[in-house]
Amino acid sequence: QVQLQESGPGLVKPSETLSLTCTVSGYSISSGYYWAWIRQPPGKGLKWIGTIYRSGSTYYNPSLKRRVTISVDTSKNQFSLKLSSVTAADTAVYYCARNIITSGRYFDYWGPGTLVTVSS
Amino acid sequence: SYELTQPPSVSVSPGQTASITCSAGELGNKYACWYQQKPGQSPVLVIYQDTKRPSGIPERFSGSNSGNTATLTISGTQAMDEADYYCQAWDSSTVVFGGGTKLTVL
Repeated sequence: QVQLQESGPGLVKPSETLSLTCTVSGYSISSGYYWAWIRQPPGKGLKWIGTIYRSGSTYYNPSLKRRVTISVDTSKNQFSLKLSSVTAADTAVYYCARNIITSGRYFDYWGPGTLVTVSS
Repeated sequence: SYELTQPPSVSVSPGQTASITCSAGELGNKYACWYQQKPGQSPVLVIYQDTKRPSGIPERFSGSNSGNTATLTISGTQAMDEADYYCQAWDSSTVVFGGGTKLTVL
């Protein structure tokens, strides 16, 4: 059974960089599939941030692209998110997920999510 | 940018059929999927590739997609189905989610 777990600081100051890591268990990232970050502001809807493949190829949401970096560490079976120059608008629950890219795109396994608050 | 439009809320009586729509230009030419999210929980995939159910999802969940509208149908709705539902598609290499629909089982 594939399991994902987000980790990282729950509080980030404005203008700083948000950094999160997703640890995958039950499946080796180096074996394939794509892996994604999605966020959800409190009381609001879901927003895709970006997706990465084991090779390091990335796809980002155009609205966040200039501030986002997603990377992968296959030796640790982890992938990570960095979001720079954060503001209060970046306060959200951040989810990592497995991204199936075949006919259509969808997310079949999700982590429990981690709340990141941007505040001084 | 591509936008998916869902009704903010839908109400249904227990045992009845609930239909939740998701609309966008030529959505029927793309694949749509649906997620269920209960309070405090992660989203769960309930329909993918328009009509397919993942393992473990009850048969009462079904999907369709034609023209400009994708529809999630829940037959014989149960109290446990009360949740937020999100549609999702992709366009121009960008994943897009609908705004979500709160399903209330009265």
